[in-house]
Amino acid sequence: EAQVTQNPRYLITVTGKKLTVTCSQNMNHEYMSWYRQDPGLGLRQIYYSMNVEVTDKGDVPEGYKVSRKEKRNFPLILESPSPNQTSLYFCASSWAGTGRYEQYFGPGTRLTVT
Amino acid sequence: AQSVTQLDSHVSVSEGTPVLLRCNYSSSYSPSLFWYVQHPNKGLQLLLKYTSAATLVKGINGFEAEFKKSETSFHLTKPSAHMSDAAEYFCVGETSGSRLTFGEGTQLTVNP
Repeated sequence: EAQVTQNPRYLITVTGKKLTVTCSQNMNHEYMSWYRQDPGLGLRQIYYSMNVEVTDKGDVPEGYKVSRKEKRNFPLILESPSPNQTSLYFCASSWAGTGRYEQYFGPGTRLTVT
Repeated sequence: AQSVTQLDSHVSVSEGTPVLLRCNYSSSYSPSLFWYVQHPNKGLQLLLKYTSAATLVKGINGFEAEFKKSETSFHLTKPSAHMSDAAEYFCVGETSGSRLTFGEGTQLTVNP
């Protein structure tokens, strides 16, 4: 089954404790991205990757890191989480790095930072 | 710069009545535009997309949207709402080739 998977689905952590949210897709997509969803703000892009070893900042990259060492994986790293990073996070992938292609979304990761 | 605005944060309709969810965009060119739906505790699913072909786009589950360049609008419609349509809907626009911008979302409630 074609899908985007994220782990964990739910995470409660404390300020400053490094964490990684994994994202994996099995569709051989070149383009992957991370979004955060906050009430009243829609989804905002954090980082995106056009292909392996190619990443770039989205609209809200501060406090986040990413890497793309393999085509299928695109982990999101919070080196020192803060309460304002409490949010719902979505990973997405698509065939290519243009806005013309459908984005396939993962199920989401709900992160709470206390 | 591209931006997308959803004009209603909440829309409430009765089952069997038409649905209209409004979206305006600003762009110096004809962008790619999408509507996605998010059911509770789920990821986002594509409803339909416009990529400069036909201006009237048909999507899944009976939804359609019309691209109107003169009005810079891309409103989502459905002739008859079902209870299963209750969800949050996002209008999305292509920004700069490799990025997307999301509207703030419209919560659709369908009353029996």
